[in-house]
Amino acid sequence: GDSVTQMEGPVTLSEEAFLTINCTYTATGYPSLFWYVQYPGEGLQLLLKATKADDKGSNKGFEATYRKETTSFHLEKGSVQVSDSAVYFCALSDRRGGGNKLTFGTGTQLKVEL
Amino acid sequence: EAQVTQNPRYLITVTGKKLTVTCSQNMNHEYMSWYRQDPGLGLRQIYYSMNVEVTDKGDVPEGYKVSRKEKRNFPLILESPSPNQTSLYFCASSLLQGVNTEAFFGQGTRLTVV
Repeated sequence: GDSVTQMEGPVTLSEEAFLTINCTYTATGYPSLFWYVQYPGEGLQLLLKATKADDKGSNKGFEATYRKETTSFHLEKGSVQVSDSAVYFCALSDRRGGGNKLTFGTGTQLKVEL
Repeated sequence: EAQVTQNPRYLITVTGKKLTVTCSQNMNHEYMSWYRQDPGLGLRQIYYSMNVEVTDKGDVPEGYKVSRKEKRNFPLILESPSPNQTSLYFCASSLLQGVNTEAFFGQGTRLTVV
C-alpha cells in the first residue's frame, strides 16, 4: 500500500537558519503530495501541495518540489522564524477507488529558537 | 467562515462507557473522514464517507462506528471504549470532485479512556 516516510524530529534550529525536512513516498498510482502544519493545540492546516511531477508548491516562504524520479517531496525554507515552530506532516493522496484519503508520515517537530 | 467543528475538545471517560464525538462542516463537502493521531504513527484513517448514507472503513476501524445521516455531520461513535483508544482524533472534510482537493481539519478531540 501507499506509505510516506519523513525524517524524525525534533529538529531544533536557530532563527534565520535554513530548513530542510525530508519526505519520500511509495505509491503505485500518481499521487498528489502535500505538506500540512500543526501548530500547538490546533488541527492540521494545508501548507502547500503539488499535484504532478516537477510541480513546485510554495507558501509562506516554504517550498517543496514533486520529484517522481526520487519519489521525494522535501520541504525547505530559507530562513525560519520562531513562529514556524510546529509539527510538519508530509502526506499523499491517491484517488484510486474514489475518495480523498490522505496517507501521512509520522510528522516532524520543528523548534526554532532565538 | 469555512470550518470543521468537533466537540468535545477534551474528554476523559471510563472503559466501556459509550461516547460520541461530533463533527460538523459548513462547506457542503461530500467527503468526510476521521483520523486518529498517535506518537510515532502519524495520522491514520478510521472511517470515511463519500456522501450521505455512504460510509466505509479506513485503516484502523476496529472499535469505532460512524454514521452520515446529513451531509454536514459525521459523528464518531465508540460503543465500548478501551484504553487503547486513548488518542487525539481529527475530523476532516473535502470536496470529491477536482484533483485532490484540500482537506480541512477540525481542531481535534483529545480522548483519554481510563
